This record gives sequence, structure tokens and C-alpha cells, in this order.
Amino acid sequence: SQTIHQWPATLVQPVGSPLSLECTVEGTSNPNLYWYRQAAGRGLQLLFYSVGIGQISSEVPQNLSASRPQDRQFILSSKKLLLSDSGFYLCAWNTGTSGYEQYFGPGTRLTVT
Amino acid sequence: KNEVEQSPQNLTAQEGEFITINCSYSVGISALHWLQQHPGGGIVSLFMLSSGKKKHGRLIATINIQEKHSSLHITASHPRDSAVYICAAPLIKETSGSRLTFGEGTQLTVNP
Repeated sequence: SQTIHQWPATLVQPVGSPLSLECTVEGTSNPNLYWYRQAAGRGLQLLFYSVGIGQISSEVPQNLSASRPQDRQFILSSKKLLLSDSGFYLCAWNTGTSGYEQYFGPGTRLTVT
Repeated sequence: KNEVEQSPQNLTAQEGEFITINCSYSVGISALHWLQQHPGGGIVSLFMLSSGKKKHGRLIATINIQEKHSSLHITASHPRDSAVYICAAPLIKETSGSRLTFGEGTQLTVNP
């Protein structure tokens, strides 16, 4: 069966510090991978998606970046965090064979202080 | 105006009541998701539907593609149903993926 992992679960970082959130998927190959953010009091927003290794598409301009160094690994990064980066970050995956259904990770709650 | 809109934003019910949450969208879609987010933040996919109706236990989801509207119903609601319910749609079709646009969510509280 397929599983999706995210870590860390929670993170408190000072403004200006770097960020690295990791997402890995098991039990499937060549998944489409997605990073979403949910800011306090707001809905989910797609940040990045990837349809293959090294292929990243960005949905919104920001000081975050994403990378996909391996087929089932998706990393969200920042060189210098802003207060506005606080939120709940969700990774999700699907494959072409599952249609449009997406499967979500447990999420990382980031607080920038 | 958000392309996917939900109503109501907040809903409080007594245990046992029948619950309806609505979702409307302004562009063409091929499928719609209903998601459940619990207080800890984790998200579970409840339904993905492109036509008609789906039922899982006490949850029922319907969609009318022509009217661009979907509803999520909960029968015999229970306090454990308390969560945020989110509808989402892949507004852009990709050959090998799909990007979801989300409604703002409906905070449901079921009191015992």
C-alpha cells in the first residue's frame, strides 16, 4: 500500500532562518507531487507541483522553492523565512492511473517568530 | 471571487441533525473532491465524484455538473463529525497530473 510521510510535524523558526521540509512517498512510482500551504484563517493554496524528477512548477511567487531530487522525494525550502511563511504545509501525491484523486500527508505546522 | 466557493463558512448542529454543506464553482471541472480536515490539521479525502451521487456510511456527496454545484450531506450527525470540510476541484487538466483549487472550508461543530 502507498504511504506518504512528512517531517518535521511541527517547526518553530526565527525570521531570516532557512527552511527545509521533506515529503516522501512509498509504494508507488513516478507520482505527481504537490506542496500546499494553509495560512491561518485561509484556505489551502497550491505552491508547487512536480510531474517528475527535477520538474517543478510554481503556482505563486514567493520566497519558497521546491526540489525533487528523487522520484518519491519532494522538498520545500527557503533561504530566509518571513513571518508570512507561517502556516500548515501539506504534501500530496497522485498518479495518472488514480485520476484526479489526491492523497495528503500529515502536514507540517510552521511558525515563524 | 474565488473559483470554488463554499457555504456556510461555519455550521453548528446538535447531534443527530442532518447536515448539508454546499460548494459551487465558476469554471468547468471534470471532478470534485470533498475533504475532511481535523483539528490537528490532517486531511482525509472523503469523496471524488464527477457525476451523480456517492455514499459512504453516513456521508453522501452529490454533484450537478450543469449547475456547477455539489453538496455534502451528513446524516445522523455526531460530535466526531466536527471538522473542517473542504471542497476542491482540479480546474486545470494536465496530461499527467492535476492541480486542485480549494474552497475556503466549512467549520462544522456538532454538539452532543
